[in-house]
Amino acid sequence: ETGVTQTPRHLVMGMTNKKSLKCEQHLGHNAMYWYKQSAKKPLELMFVYSLEERVENNSVPSRFSPECPNSSHLFLHLHTLQPEDSALYLCASSRLNSGANVLTFGAGSRLTVL
Amino acid sequence: RKEVEQDPGPFNVPEGATVAFNCTYSNSASQSFFWYRQDCRKEPKLLMSVYSSGNEDGRFTAQLNRASQYISLLIRDSKLSDSATYLCVVNFYNQGGKLIFGQGTELSVKP
Repeated sequence: ETGVTQTPRHLVMGMTNKKSLKCEQHLGHNAMYWYKQSAKKPLELMFVYSLEERVENNSVPSRFSPECPNSSHLFLHLHTLQPEDSALYLCASSRLNSGANVLTFGAGSRLTVL
Repeated sequence: RKEVEQDPGPFNVPEGATVAFNCTYSNSASQSFFWYRQDCRKEPKLLMSVYSSGNEDGRFTAQLNRASQYISLLIRDSKLSDSATYLCVVNFYNQGGKLIFGQGTELSVKP
C-alpha cells in the first residue's frame, strides 16, 4: 500500500453520467498531480496543484474538472465523457523545492466510458 | 519531435543478460532526470534518479549525457523479476513540477 490512495480503483460510466475520482496522500507532500495513461501512450500530465493552487492545466477538456480542497486531497470530477477518455487515471504527489521532484503514485483509477 | 523519446521495445532477453535502454529529451534546459519502473497493471515507481556524474545502484547504472541530451539505463545480470516497463522521466523546470514521461520501454526477461 503506497502513501497515495485512489478511489475507486475501477469505474464504468455512461457518457451522460457524472462521477468523481478521489486521491488522498499521507506523505506530507505539497504538490499533487493527475496523469492520464492510455494504452501504448506516454503518461499525459493533466493537472498540477502546488500548495492547493492549480499551476498547470495541460489543455485538458472542460469535461474534466479538478478540485484540491487541501494539500492532502485531490479530486477529478467527470461529466459527459467520451469513449476515448477510457484510460488509467493516476494521481501522484511530491515535495516541491526539495531538490529532485520525485513523484509517488497511487494505484490508479481505471475508467471505462461506454 | 517528442519531448521525451524512448524505444518502446519490447526487449526480450535471457536471464543473466545485460541490457541497455536509451532515452532522448528535447529541452536543453531540463533540470533533473529519473527512471521509473511500471509493472503490468500497476502504478509507476521510482527506480533511480540520474545524476550528472552517473550513478549506480546494485545491478542498475544510470548515465546522463547533457551535450547529446540523452539518458541511459544499464541492467546487468537480468532477473526474471526485472520484467517491466521502464519509463524515462524529465523535469523540464525547477518550479511547477512539470515532469514529462517517455512512452516507456518494455523489458521481458526469459528463463
